[in-house]
Amino acid sequence: DQQVKQNSPSLSVQEGRISILNCDYTNSMFDYFLWYKKYPAEGPTFLISISSIKDKNEDGRFTVFLNKSAKHLSLHIVPSQPGDSAVYFCAASGGGSQGNLIFGKGTKLSVKP
Amino acid sequence: KAGVTQTPRYLIKTRGQQVTLSCSPISGHRSVSWYQQTPGQGLQFLFEYFSETQRNKGNFPGRFSGRQFSNSRSEMNVSTLELGDSALYLCASSLVGTGEKQYFGPGTRLTVT
Repeated sequence: DQQVKQNSPSLSVQEGRISILNCDYTNSMFDYFLWYKKYPAEGPTFLISISSIKDKNEDGRFTVFLNKSAKHLSLHIVPSQPGDSAVYFCAASGGGSQGNLIFGKGTKLSVKP
Repeated sequence: KAGVTQTPRYLIKTRGQQVTLSCSPISGHRSVSWYQQTPGQGLQFLFEYFSETQRNKGNFPGRFSGRQFSNSRSEMNVSTLELGDSALYLCASSLVGTGEKQYFGPGTRLTVT
């Protein structure tokens, strides 16, 4: 049973436009959410996170929105750049610092020049 | 600070053999987690070690085991390798646990033939 779902395996966006990556979760106990970016042949790198007490967190071109009632979060990248082309993983945890981090299967973003 | 390092980076083994992978966390990090990444399943949590004790475990068979040393370095062992064990094995470290931001190593690409 997948607790964290990224229903779009891939997304293609034009450079300069907005990229929106979506993530749904089923476990209402999750209270901390993270996005990771992964390039081929490298490990995932942390991008941005959000706690369940917030509904938005912003860091430069990256903004994460959390809708707790819908159990949905999204990552907005504005403006998108070719260097953003990577696989993006959504992850969630609910046990404090000792809770397991559950990852989605990832969405491959391609930003075309 | 040096990042998370994993050795070896690539490995080819034959079905039935066993393999040991190594991970050195970021200095000061006491939590080390292991993940398996396959194209169809995304990142799946294997286990987490904290202060030389296994604290969390994912849903993998007993052929997958690990340990952590007093310097926080960790090893993962897979016995009686199967073709389906071919994957990228990622190690991640954090200060106190898996529920917070983790820092990933580049991974070990294991191919079982």
